[in-house]
This record gives sequence, structure tokens and C-alpha cells, in this order.
Amino acid sequence: DTAVSQTPKYLVTQMGNDKSIKCEQNLGHDTMYWYKQDSKKFLKIMFSYNNKELIINETVPNRFSPKSPDKAHLNLHINSLELGDSAVYFCASSQAPGGEYEQFFGPGTRLTVL
Amino acid sequence: GQNIDQPTEMTATEGAIVQINCTYQTSGFNGLFWYQQHAGEAPTFLSYNVLDGLEEKGRFSSFLSRSKGYSYLLLKELQMKDSASYLCAVRDDPDNYGQNFVFGPGTRLSVLP
Repeated sequence: DTAVSQTPKYLVTQMGNDKSIKCEQNLGHDTMYWYKQDSKKFLKIMFSYNNKELIINETVPNRFSPKSPDKAHLNLHINSLELGDSAVYFCASSQAPGGEYEQFFGPGTRLTVL
Repeated sequence: GQNIDQPTEMTATEGAIVQINCTYQTSGFNGLFWYQQHAGEAPTFLSYNVLDGLEEKGRFSSFLSRSKGYSYLLLKELQMKDSASYLCAVRDDPDNYGQNFVFGPGTRLSVLP
């Protein structure tokens, strides 16, 4: 009965590789997000999608691309991985983009780039 | 610019009360959230404030003063399981739909027996 799920939980890869992280929510929410949490524990928003339309695209490198096949899924593709991409990536969803609706976070994917 | 400040670490004793402060300077304001994050886990929602004043939820309360750009989270009757990081997050409101969240650095709370 997991509300927001991510796969994989751990990802270890070499510099220059391309990888994807999958995210699914079964809450029926309209908005989904991707966050990056670095080693200093800062949580920074990367993207948000509302009804499959990109609303926010923070100043992240274009090596990162979100893809949403439907409202329940928001996958993150990363090309040409770099050492600085090592972090924990969290997917989240909320019922609506505004108002008092909180975000529900997935368990996170710990990415290590060697 | 956008800036959120919180104390880095706090320590308190089981059964006590602790107040975690958050000050913010953002381009807009459309609500403030508090999240709890245990080590190695995902953040979980605690409280939401959009109007000035105090919101109470069991052992947790959160206060907001928009004119001062200030909020605090109050935890009463501390338990060992409250040892975690507490993240303050502001939804600012630039020229989009207002769901751009800015998170503070988090306050790591240690509850001692």
C-alpha cells in the first residue's frame, strides 16, 4: 500500500553513464515533484509536474530530464552522470499545486557516481 | 533572493519542550510547511501555516508571523523518537502557480534521556 514508491533504492554507477529513476504514486494526486538532497542535507526542488505539464524547471543541468507517461508516474532520466550528481533523489506528490496540500515523499534513491 | 535560516543543531531532554525557529526571506509567500526527517528516511509532513498565528496538532504546534518572516515549531513532551531533522519550507509565489518550494537547511534535534 505504498503511497509514493521509487526504484531503485540504491544506484551505483560510473561517470558518463546514463541512468533513470522511476517514481509512482497511487494517491491520485495531480502534482508530482523531484528533489535532490545533497550531502549537506539541503533539499532542493528540481522539477514539478501538474497534470503531466511541467510547471517548474529549476536551474538544473539539461542532462536531467523528467518524463511523465501518465499522472501517476514521474521518471527522472540523467545523462552523462558526473561526480557532483551523487545525492539522494526524492520523488514527491501533492493533491494539488497550491493551498494547504502537503507533499508526500517517496523513500528516496541514493545515487553514487564513481 | 531566497533564504531560509534555521539553527543547525539542538539538544533537549525527554519530556521537555523545544522550540525550533525558522526565518525566511523569499520573493513571495504562499504558505509555510514543517517536515520531519529521520536519518535515512523521507521527509514527512508535520504542519502548515499560511495565516499569522498558532496552529496546534497534538504535541506539535507551529507559529507564523508573515510581517517578521518568522515561524517556529514547538514540540511538547519530547520523546526519544522525536530525534530527527526538522525542515522548514516556504512556498514562494513567483509568476507561476505558486508551488515552488524552498527548504531550509534543517535543524537536527537530539532528544536525550
